[in-house]
Amino acid sequence: GAVVSQHPSWVICKSGTSVKIECRSLDFQATTMFWYRQFPKQSLMLMATSNEGSKATYEQGVEKDKFLINHASLTLSTLTVTSAHPEDSSFYICSARAPSGRETQYFGPGTRLLVL
Amino acid sequence: QKEVEQNSGPLSVPEGAIASLNCTYSDRGSQSFFWYRQYSGKSPELIMFIYSNGDKEDGRFTAQLNKASQYVSLLIRDSQPSDSATYLCAVSYSGGGADGLTFGKGTHLIIQP
Repeated sequence: GAVVSQHPSWVICKSGTSVKIECRSLDFQATTMFWYRQFPKQSLMLMATSNEGSKATYEQGVEKDKFLINHASLTLSTLTVTSAHPEDSSFYICSARAPSGRETQYFGPGTRLLVL
Repeated sequence: QKEVEQNSGPLSVPEGAIASLNCTYSDRGSQSFFWYRQYSGKSPELIMFIYSNGDKEDGRFTAQLNKASQYVSLLIRDSQPSDSATYLCAVSYSGGGADGLTFGKGTHLIIQP
């Protein structure tokens, strides 16, 4: 149980285009999901917290107008990278807060974004 | 600013030996502590979490927490080549998975056959 999926797993796009990444909790409902970003040889950095039915909370330094987050249902959160540039190329990983009673977050497999 | 520090390694350990991984954190208010394993190109997978001072054992893994010293460690007994990976220490200000995690940069562990 507690499986989180992401789609797509890989995306290559031209500079200036927008890219949408989906994060789904497959066998549980997640009121809270998190979006992380990991650059090569760096650690995961929390970008934002996504709460179902409300606005996302962004970490300091993360542009909310560039990284649009929508958590419209209890099993789906989306991250849209708007007007992507090469410096946005990274490994984007979502996690979902575990069902009540379990003390952890479950991570999706990640989406690797390459902006040309 | 919450910080989590780890020695980046690589840490090389012979197969069958004990691997010891260490982590320190800056925020005394931190409540929850996690160890994740990350293989190259993959997302992290949870190994263990610990909330209270002392030791917590799960199979070949033992997590140790010392809040006074702001120190967390992970011991891997009977190390196997498949344990070769980057180990990430993560900290949360709140209990469980309620808040986003602050990660260290990870320690690259190599188990030598």
